[in-house]
Amino acid sequence: KQEVTQIPAALSVPEGENLVLNCSFTDSAIYNLQWFRQDPGKGLTSLLLIQSSQREQTSGRLNASLDKSSGRSTLYIAASQPGDSATYLCAVLNAGGTSYGKLTFGQGTILTVHP
Amino acid sequence: DGGITQSPKYLFRKEGQNVTLSCEQNLNHDAMYWYRQDPGQGLRLIYYSQIVNDFQKGDIAEGYSVSREKKESFPLTVTSAQKNPTAFYLCASRPGGGRLGLPAPYEQYFGPGTRLTVT
Repeated sequence: KQEVTQIPAALSVPEGENLVLNCSFTDSAIYNLQWFRQDPGKGLTSLLLIQSSQREQTSGRLNASLDKSSGRSTLYIAASQPGDSATYLCAVLNAGGTSYGKLTFGQGTILTVHP
Repeated sequence: DGGITQSPKYLFRKEGQNVTLSCEQNLNHDAMYWYRQDPGQGLRLIYYSQIVNDFQKGDIAEGYSVSREKKESFPLTVTSAQKNPTAFYLCASRPGGGRLGLPAPYEQYFGPGTRLTVT
């Protein structure tokens, strides 16, 4: 059964810092990995999607990498701003066995960027 | 505007009553999903459907039921058998259906969610 783990569970940084969020998964049979942002009481907004054949994706100040063989992904946020404060979730679209077609989520990292 | 709508945003029910949450998408996506989120938790999969008239149980299907009679609609019924129904419910969809062998991103999109409170 696919398991997704995110570290750290919470992170508090001053404005302007560069930071890294980590995501690991146990089954490398995936089609893609998505990073989402969730604001309190809201739905999920997709930030970046990395297909299994790709190594990284970039959007503005965000860069996500994927090492499928080791089951790891990182989300790098450059020059953090208070508006980046939210919960960040990673999820993998499973390609194997009974998990085929299912999206498995990590528990999320709660990010607080203070002025 | 293309997207996923969930209604209502807030829902209150008495214990013992069944309640149906609506999810509609106009993205022409084949696959649709229902997730549950509890405070401080990640998302857990309740049911998913990769094509019309077909659906599969997720990790926590007990006490829930779904139907997929139309491509654009995937309603979730929370029955009285669900022991802890109070939660935030999220619906999602993605293209590709069950044919994940095709080279495509298969990006998943989410609705705004319905917060269900049962007392």
